[in-house]
Amino acid sequence: GESVGLHLPTLSVQEGDNSIINCAYSNSASDYFIWYKQESGKGPQFIIDIRSNMDKRQGQRVTVLLNKTVKHLSLQIAATQPGDSAVYFCAELNYGQNFVFGPGTRLSVLP
Amino acid sequence: DSGVTQTPKHLITATGQRVTLRCSPRSGDLSVYWYQQSLDQGLQFLIQYYNGEERAKGNILERFSAQQFPDLHSELNLSSLELGDSALYFCASSVTGANHEQYFGPGTRLTVT
Repeated sequence: GESVGLHLPTLSVQEGDNSIINCAYSNSASDYFIWYKQESGKGPQFIIDIRSNMDKRQGQRVTVLLNKTVKHLSLQIAATQPGDSAVYFCAELNYGQNFVFGPGTRLSVLP
Repeated sequence: DSGVTQTPKHLITATGQRVTLRCSPRSGDLSVYWYQQSLDQGLQFLIQYYNGEERAKGNILERFSAQQFPDLHSELNLSSLELGDSALYFCASSVTGANHEQYFGPGTRLTVT
């Protein structure tokens, strides 16, 4: 498959542990945020989103936290599994309706 | 499988040429988005269409253009190609223009030689 971002920051976690992937966003006016997962050779896959009027949202095994004070977004994955190995991107939607993506973090799950 | 299809999967062409990338959204989705993903610039939003009309514009070069047809499929035209245009081009679709849960296609790998 294709290699995305060969020099991405990498997070290595043990299978079964929780993972926390962080993202700093740029625009304090952004009002909508998305986390995507991209496996090798595939397109990004929507994981979870959050609006700026919330500070936490939970999905299945995933939680997104938003701290608008410091413009920080995090994705927490509970009980990380080998299938979670991928590159994770955060994206912000600003008032001008342009999506801006972060550089991505590579999650590597160790057996 | 997201339900979004893109053709071709791979494209190799020379500098100065023009290519057309094609995208069919998921059934029922009215909005189409185009993205460029390169190793040095990451994933960049290019343009969005909703029900045939341009909805939002990102970092799309003037050499690039797109359109969405009445059957909702979309084409991205890249002209006067340069080596730096080599990248993965993704199409995504969503139900409405305001629904940001986007489903991505498998991408087209463009190589300009």
